[in-house]
Amino acid sequence: TQLLEQSPQFLSIQEGENLTVYCNSSSVFSSLQWYRQEPGEGPVLLVTVVTGGEVKKLKRLTFQFGDARKDSSLHITAAQTGDTGLYLCAGSPSGTYKYIFGTGTRLKVLA
Amino acid sequence: GAVVSQHPSWVICKSGTSVKIECRSLDFQATTMFWYRQFPKQSLMLMATSNEGSKATYEQGVEKDKFLINHASLTLSTLTVTSAHPEDSSFYICSASLLGTDTQYFGPGTRLTVL
Repeated sequence: TQLLEQSPQFLSIQEGENLTVYCNSSSVFSSLQWYRQEPGEGPVLLVTVVTGGEVKKLKRLTFQFGDARKDSSLHITAAQTGDTGLYLCAGSPSGTYKYIFGTGTRLKVLA
Repeated sequence: GAVVSQHPSWVICKSGTSVKIECRSLDFQATTMFWYRQFPKQSLMLMATSNEGSKATYEQGVEKDKFLINHASLTLSTLTVTSAHPEDSSFYICSASLLGTDTQYFGPGTRLTVL
């Protein structure tokens, strides 16, 4: 069973601070995605990474896929209150098109 | 962009009854649909993968006789929770994708409350 552990589970920071969320597994994934979910809604895709070592930037968000394709990180620079939400990583095991979701990181950015 | 809808958005039912949830891809043909369950304050748990015209593949620990999945067309998949009990109360989310791609389009979710 592939497990994706995210850390931290909860994070409360002040607006303007930087933060990093980690997504770790002992399994190799062919691709990994990051989502953000608001309460009562479906998750919204932020990025997909497929190559080991790949780094993608989306405005203030920087995503990195580990060289061995077992882990990933999400870094947010100068967090804003609008970044508040549940951040989920999801990995696709090799040979499948399904995604296994990580344990989630609940972020709260205070004004 | 691709749009996926779910119906109903919320449902309350009595214990022992069955509830059907629909997942529709509105502007594309989805060869594969996924069903997830999410308990409060938790992450999404994949329940099953359904491919159009074939039987669904259930994840370990998910009872296929309790959670009936039908994917009869390229735009519709249904999840029926049979003989629902309070512990089945959850947020059920579907996603749809095209065969051979890893892009999923998520529905808005259905909140099920079993009394």
